[in-house]
Amino acid sequence: DIQMTQSPSTLSASVGDRVTITCRASQSISSWLAWYQLKPGKAPKLLIYKASSLESGVPSRFSGSGSGTEFTLTISSLQPDDFATYYCQYYNNYFGPGTKVDIK
Amino acid sequence: EVQLVESGGGLVQPGGSLRLSCAASGFTFSSSWMGWVRQAPGKGLEWVANIRGDGSDKYYVGSVKGRFTISRDNAKNSLYLQMNSLRDEDTAVYYCTRDEAWGQGTMVTVSS
Repeated sequence: DIQMTQSPSTLSASVGDRVTITCRASQSISSWLAWYQLKPGKAPKLLIYKASSLESGVPSRFSGSGSGTEFTLTISSLQPDDFATYYCQYYNNYFGPGTKVDIK
Repeated sequence: EVQLVESGGGLVQPGGSLRLSCAASGFTFSSSWMGWVRQAPGKGLEWVANIRGDGSDKYYVGSVKGRFTISRDNAKNSLYLQMNSLRDEDTAVYYCTRDEAWGQGTMVTVSS
């Protein structure tokens, strides 16, 4: 099994901060990685697919990078709507444990 | 455009069974890995199972092994999840997935 890890598990930040979340795979998954945003009571929202492609309609402050075993999700300037939990997923497979972004 | 439409959710008693279906369109179904993921109320995202395009390989998260079976009918462009011996902790919204594309989800509630 390919295992996914994320760091940090919790991140405290302020509006306007640059935020970076890291996702690691236990073996190479090429670019088969997506990032999702999860908020209470809402369906998961796709942000990034194929490691670095921005989903249509997602603000450009979100970006993804990486390939192989190490990936990052970056929010260039954190907005109030971005406080949520973020998950990476190897396509059709395991998720990372999530990173909660909360208010500092 | 990839479209995935789940059905088959509902209320079932502990120990009962349910079969979820997913109708797929907009892509070459028979050559696509497909999967099921779930989100329990107030919880995070959990991958449940996946299946190779020709059905020859299937994988499951440990908590459902021996109880759930993933299958597909490529002639019907359909994916299935047979869920047996259901437990309270299987209560969740279940999503059919093809890579980054997800359906709208179907709710499964296991309760007496």
